[in-house]
Amino acid sequence: QMHLVESGGGLVKPGGSLRLSCAVSGLTFRDSHMSWIRQTAGKGLEWVSYIGTSDGTIYQADSVKGRFTISRDNAKNSLYLQMNSLRAEDTAVYYCARGSHFFDYWGQGALVTVSS
Amino acid sequence: EIVLTQSPGTLSLSPGERATLSCRASQSVSNSYLAWYQQKPGQAPRLLIYGATDRATGIPDRFFGSQSGTDFTLTISRLEPEDTAVYFCQQYGTSPRTFGQGTKVEIK
Repeated sequence: QMHLVESGGGLVKPGGSLRLSCAVSGLTFRDSHMSWIRQTAGKGLEWVSYIGTSDGTIYQADSVKGRFTISRDNAKNSLYLQMNSLRAEDTAVYYCARGSHFFDYWGQGALVTVSS
Repeated sequence: EIVLTQSPGTLSLSPGERATLSCRASQSVSNSYLAWYQQKPGQAPRLLIYGATDRATGIPDRFFGSQSGTDFTLTISRLEPEDTAVYFCQQYGTSPRTFGQGTKVEIK
């Protein structure tokens, strides 16, 4: 069983920055492909970004390209999402999840609200 | 990107009945790479089905996935009160991975 816990969510003004963290335990993190997925009441679930195990492969949704950066620290069993130039439409619950195709383990989510 | 359209929006059924949820893809989903998730209020989504038909670990055989072309179906037999949730489909045949908008299942 894998346990994922997000942190770092909160209220931020448009144009601001926020860094989400995801602490992972229970399974070998370094062997796990990881993703960030967000959810809004209006747009539903949206895949945001993916990072490979160790080869540096990264994919991002067009909606966040150039603004968000995914990274990982295998020594700390942690996944990160650096979010810059935040917009109102980035307001969502952000989930970290294991997987690149389907997602079999999810965190409980972190709420990010972008508002002035 | 592949658009997934789920229907109906809401399904209201009694315990013991069968629920049939539909997910239609805007184009072919390669290798039948489609998953289904269950999301209960205040919780993260939970993987039910992957590869269109394979149940995830620990998922009871009341949950059954099937496919006909670009139409995918999740069938929940013998509904139980705990099955109250929103169900999402997701394709992973192409990038970006995309989700359907969800079907809410209510148990009367």
